[in-house]
Amino acid sequence: EVQLVQSGAEVKKPGESLKISCKGSGYNFTTYWIGWVRQMPGKGLELMGIIYPSDSDARYSPSFQGHFTISVDKSISTAYLQWSYLRSSDTAIYYCARQSCSGGSCYSDYFHHWGQGTPVTVSS
Amino acid sequence: DIQMTQSPSTLSASVGDRVTITCRASQNINNWLAWYQQKPGKAPNVLIYKASTLESGVPSRFSGSGSGTEFTLTISSLQPDDFATYYCQQYESSSVTFGGGTKVEI
Repeated sequence: EVQLVQSGAEVKKPGESLKISCKGSGYNFTTYWIGWVRQMPGKGLELMGIIYPSDSDARYSPSFQGHFTISVDKSISTAYLQWSYLRSSDTAIYYCARQSCSGGSCYSDYFHHWGQGTPVTVSS
Repeated sequence: DIQMTQSPSTLSASVGDRVTITCRASQNINNWLAWYQQKPGKAPNVLIYKASTLESGVPSRFSGSGSGTEFTLTISSLQPDDFATYYCQQYESSSVTFGGGTKVEI
C-alpha cells in the first residue's frame, strides 16, 4: 500500500526556521515526483513545487519563488519542505503528494496519493 | 501560469439532486484535467483524471467531461457522503494549477 506520512503540527514564531517531512513507503520512492501543496486557512490548493527523488531535480511554481526549499533524502525515502525564516503568511496546512506516473519526464501530472497534511502556525 | 476558474464557488443541493460543477481553463489544456474531492480536515482525493476517466474505487455517480478549455464534473444523484469541496487541476503545463474550489453544501 502506498503511504505518505508527514511530520506533525508545528507552532513557530515569525523569523524562525522550520523543516517538515514526508516519508514515502509501499512503492519505489525514487521514480515518482513528489509535490508540496499549500492550503491557507479556508482557501484552495496551491502547488509550491515538485521534486524528483532519483536526482533531486526540484522545480518551483513561479508564484512561490525564493521563500522556501524542497529537498529529498532518498536513502530514507523522505522529502522535505523548509523555510529559513517564517512569516505569519506561511500559516497553512502543507500536503505532500505523489504524482501518478513514474519517470523523470513525468513532472506534469495529477496527484494520486497524498499525505495527511502538516498544519503550520506562525504567530508571535 | 494557466488559470483555472471554477463555478459556482458554492452550491446548495439536496440528497438525490443532479449536480454539475464547471471548470474553465485560460488556455487549451486538451484533456489534462483532474477532479478532487476534499472533506474538512482531510487531504484531497482524486475522483477523475484525464478529464473523464474515473479513478478506481470511485462511485459511478461521478462523471467528468470536456476538453480544451471547458470541463464539467457531474454527480448524478447526490449522496450524503458527497457534501464536500471539489477542485479541478490542470496538468497540461509544467506548472500545474488548481481551480478555486466548489463547496457543495446542504
